[in-house]
Amino acid sequence: DADVTQTPRNRITKTGKRIMLECSQTKGHDRMYWYRQDPGLGLRLIYYSFDVKDINKGEISDGYSVSRQAQAKFSLSLESAIPNQTALYFCATSGGVRTGELFFGEGSRLTVL
Amino acid sequence: QKEVEQNSGPLSVPEGAIASLNCTYSDRGSQSFFWYRQYSGKSPELIMFIYSNGDKEDGRFTAQLNKASQYVSLLIRDSQPSDSATYLCAVNLLSSASKIIFGSGTRLSIRP
Repeated sequence: DADVTQTPRNRITKTGKRIMLECSQTKGHDRMYWYRQDPGLGLRLIYYSFDVKDINKGEISDGYSVSRQAQAKFSLSLESAIPNQTALYFCATSGGVRTGELFFGEGSRLTVL
Repeated sequence: QKEVEQNSGPLSVPEGAIASLNCTYSDRGSQSFFWYRQYSGKSPELIMFIYSNGDKEDGRFTAQLNKASQYVSLLIRDSQPSDSATYLCAVNLLSSASKIIFGSGTRLSIRP
């Protein structure tokens, strides 16, 4: 089983719908991240969390919210999806010996029509 | 100005040659620097990290860091077709030890 699991892997939704992307990890890491990837733009940080009580905005948090339900679970929500939120979303964890080394999930491809 | 900048490429290098990838960053106090490789349709994976000025070698890969000039580079020696991928530079910002920002990535193509 993957150490960092994202669900769903693919999702097509309509403008205005609420969508939640979920991430769970078995690595025992404290830090969890949500990134968005668009062609030619690399990975852009949406939110990150040090632990259940600590959540921080990243570079592009507008239009997104997150919930850290437990150390192992970090969910990303789009309250009212819009077409320019169509992207590949990655969850990642960090907490190993090398500070800053990220372990990624397989990604969730979201299409907003 | 973006916090981490890379040339998007594509960078085309003949097989067996040295590929040179560059990255600049704006946060002068940044301490940790990473290179990730991402194959098409896959997740990024860490290939090199560097914390101190100078060179760090690991097999065919060498990371170079120059904090005074605020750039970090990755050299790939004896390039192989399997090195064809997008290379992402990432910086751990001083302002937050856990805020990790990526550049836009450089697409590398190794031609036989």
